[in-house]
Amino acid sequence: EAQVTQNPRYLITVTGKKLTVTCSQNMNHEYMSWYRQDPGLGLRQIYYSMNVEVTDKGDVPEGYKVSRKEKRNFPLILESPSPNQTSLYFCASSADRRSNQPQHFGDGTRLSIL
Amino acid sequence: EDKVVQSPLSLVVHEGDTVTLNCSYEVTNFRSLLWYKQEKKAPTFLFMLTSSGIEKKSGRLSSILDKKELFSILNITATQTGDSAVYLCAASYSGAGSYQLTFGKGTKLSVIP
Repeated sequence: EAQVTQNPRYLITVTGKKLTVTCSQNMNHEYMSWYRQDPGLGLRQIYYSMNVEVTDKGDVPEGYKVSRKEKRNFPLILESPSPNQTSLYFCASSADRRSNQPQHFGDGTRLSIL
Repeated sequence: EDKVVQSPLSLVVHEGDTVTLNCSYEVTNFRSLLWYKQEKKAPTFLFMLTSSGIEKKSGRLSSILDKKELFSILNITATQTGDSAVYLCAASYSGAGSYQLTFGKGTKLSVIP
């Protein structure tokens, strides 16, 4: 089954404790991206990647890092999480590296930073 | 400044009503306009529009794009309670070798029996 898998689905942690949210897709997609979704602000793109070893900042990259060492994986790293990063995070992938194809979303990761 | 603006932000209708959701965009090097439906979890894809004036249909849902006026509409006829969701539109655009997707804040549709 074609899917985007995120882990963990839920996480409560404390300020400053490094964490990684993993994202994996099994569709051999080139384009992958991370979004955060906040009430009243909608979905905002954090980072995206058009291919292995190619990553670019989205609209709200501050406080986040990503890497794309393999085509299927695109982890989101919070080196020193802060409460303003409490949010619902989605990973997505697309067949077209130019993002001109629908994105398939993971089920989301709800992060709470205390 | 918001690049993608959706209206209304929320809407309550009765089953059987027809609704029109609006999405305007202002991006350079526009590529496509996408509509998604979000219920309790991840957004699911509805339509992708790249050409003006060509309506796309799927059952009771349809959508059309106007590239001259920079907007799109999503129509839902004979609404059902299962149509209750947040509807998101997003503009895909490119610039300086980058390709991005910007979402509007969504329209929350509530269909009551």
